[in-house]
Formats: sequence, structure tokens, C-alpha cells
Amino acid sequence: EPEVTQTPSHQVTQMGQEVILRCVPISNHLYFYWYRQILGQKVEFLVSFYNNEISEKSEIFDDQFSVERPDGSNFTLKIRSTKLEDSAMYFCASSEMGTGSTEAFFGQGTRLTVV
Amino acid sequence: TQLLEQSPQFLSIQEGENLTVYCNSSSVFSSLQWYRQEPGEGPVLLVTVVTGGEVKKLKRLTFQFGDARKDSSLHITAAQPGDTGLYLCAGERRGAQKLVFGQGTRLTINP
Repeated sequence: EPEVTQTPSHQVTQMGQEVILRCVPISNHLYFYWYRQILGQKVEFLVSFYNNEISEKSEIFDDQFSVERPDGSNFTLKIRSTKLEDSAMYFCASSEMGTGSTEAFFGQGTRLTVV
Repeated sequence: TQLLEQSPQFLSIQEGENLTVYCNSSSVFSSLQWYRQEPGEGPVLLVTVVTGGEVKKLKRLTFQFGDARKDSSLHITAAQPGDTGLYLCAGERRGAQKLVFGQGTRLTINP
């Protein structure tokens, strides 16, 4: 069964360092997303991406964050200068369509720890 | 802000009992999805409901979307220990390229 895959599964980084989280969405999906979940809290939307551009982003997704689809398969989230409060599980998701009866499929997540 | 409130937040019952989890909002959603999440893993999609009043069944799980598409419920019949987990509802508004998640219901089924 097709699935969304994320690497790495765990990432520890020092405050102020740049990190890149990687995702391979399901191959025939056209919409890609990043969500995060701080320990014990809700899953929060960060950004959606379609047709090589951001279609929607949340207040969390400030200038420190960027997304890219560098080739036909990968979808990355970059955090330029990490802060302690960026520590969270980061989930990539993809869907075939963007609205209406969208079914979003999530990856296993990357646990980011900023020290 | 489109909040989705789930209740109860925690539920611990004995094997064989029935239970219902609720997901409520003041906003209208074009679709609502239920996920199950295990510790340290990503949410796994269980079902999507789209039409007001829609009912979908997945074995012992019954999902219903409210007539006004503002709320949903998950009913489990004859709960089993394997049903233990975190259940999340997530709604999508028409034209919005994102899901809004509830805070989850942590369900424990005791043998």
C-alpha cells in the first residue's frame, strides 16, 4: 500500500542551526502538507503546497520556515535557525485533491529536538 | 478560529462496553476525518465523512457527520483492548487547504 515516508525519524540539533526534514509523498498525490505536534498538544497545520507553490500557511510558518519540492519525489521543510520551541513531531502529509472530500495521508513523522 | 472540541479527552472502560466520542465545532466543515494515532507515530486515517447526516461503518466503529456538518461522533461497539489509542477528528473547510485537528480522545480499553 502506498505510504508517505519521512526521514530522518529523529533529529537532534543545536539551537540556531538549520535543519531540513524530508518527505516522499504518495506518488500520484498533488497536494503536500506539513503539520507539527508539540508533545501533548494538538496537531497543528503549518503549510500546504500545490503546483510548486505554497497555497496556504499558518501563523507558525514564519520567515524561518521554507518548503521545497526539489525534484519529482521529495518534499522538504527547512527551518533556518532553530529555536527551542521548534522541538516537536513534524508530520508530512499528502492528498490527491486539495478540497472537499480530501483524504490526507500522514507519514510517521520526524521527532525534532532542539537543544 | 475554527476550533474542533473533542469529548471526552480521556476515556477508560472495560472490554465489551460501548462508547461514543464526540467532535464539535461552531464552524461548518466540508469534510471531517477521523484518525487514530499511536505513540510516536503519525495519524492513520480511519474514515472521511462528507455529507451532512452521513453514517459510515468500519467493523465495530460507526462514524456519523452531523446534519449541519458542524459535528461528528465515533461510536465503538463491544470495545476491545486493541481499540486502545488516541482518536483524532480533523475538519476541512471548503477552499481551505488544511485540516483543523481536535485535541484528541485518549481511549483505554481494559481487559
